[in-house]
Amino acid sequence: DIQMTQSPSSLSASVGDRVTITCRASQGISNFLAWYQQKPGGFPNLLIYAASTLQSGVPSRFSGSGSGTAFTLTISSLQPEDVATYYCQEYISAPWTFGQGTKVQVK
Amino acid sequence: QVQLVESGGGVVQPGGSLRLSCAASGFTFSNFGMHWVRQAPGKGLEWVAFIGFDGSNKYYADSVEGRFTISRDNSKNTLYLQVGSLRADDTAVYYCAKPKLGPSSFFDFWGQGTLVTVSS
Repeated sequence: DIQMTQSPSSLSASVGDRVTITCRASQGISNFLAWYQQKPGGFPNLLIYAASTLQSGVPSRFSGSGSGTAFTLTISSLQPEDVATYYCQEYISAPWTFGQGTKVQVK
Repeated sequence: QVQLVESGGGVVQPGGSLRLSCAASGFTFSNFGMHWVRQAPGKGLEWVAFIGFDGSNKYYADSVEGRFTISRDNSKNTLYLQVGSLRADDTAVYYCAKPKLGPSSFFDFWGQGTLVTVSS
């Protein structure tokens, strides 16, 4: 099975800061990589798919990049409403593995 | 608009069972495979099971293989997860999720989840 490793597990940044989250796959997954945002008490919401394609309605301050085994989610200017846990997921094959999550907080 | 509404969660004793349901609307349910994903309290997301659009293909996480059964009724637009031989570490919110396209696809819609608590 493919393993997905996110870093860091948590971070705290100021409003307006640039935030970067990394996700690594244990084997190449091309661009079959999605990012989800889960706000406290809520369910996951799709942010990015195909590693870099923004889901409709998602603010443009979110962006994704990468291919193969290394991927990045960037928030260009952190906003208070971005407080959430972010998960990467490979969807090239079962078992559709998620990363362990990155909790983002605002200072 | 797409809606996924889970139900059937509750408190169950170790070794017990439950049937979870996910009522789907806003899309042609019979054209899509469907997933179950769970999240233990304070933990991350864990994929649980997948069923193909016609019910012919099923996949399970190793952690639930042989104890959980995924099924669907396309005439009722409803997805099911029969959870059995429950253990404390099965305590979680269970979400149903719809893939955008086929099996090799991201999940574009999620339900709000139903909580299963395994406790004596």
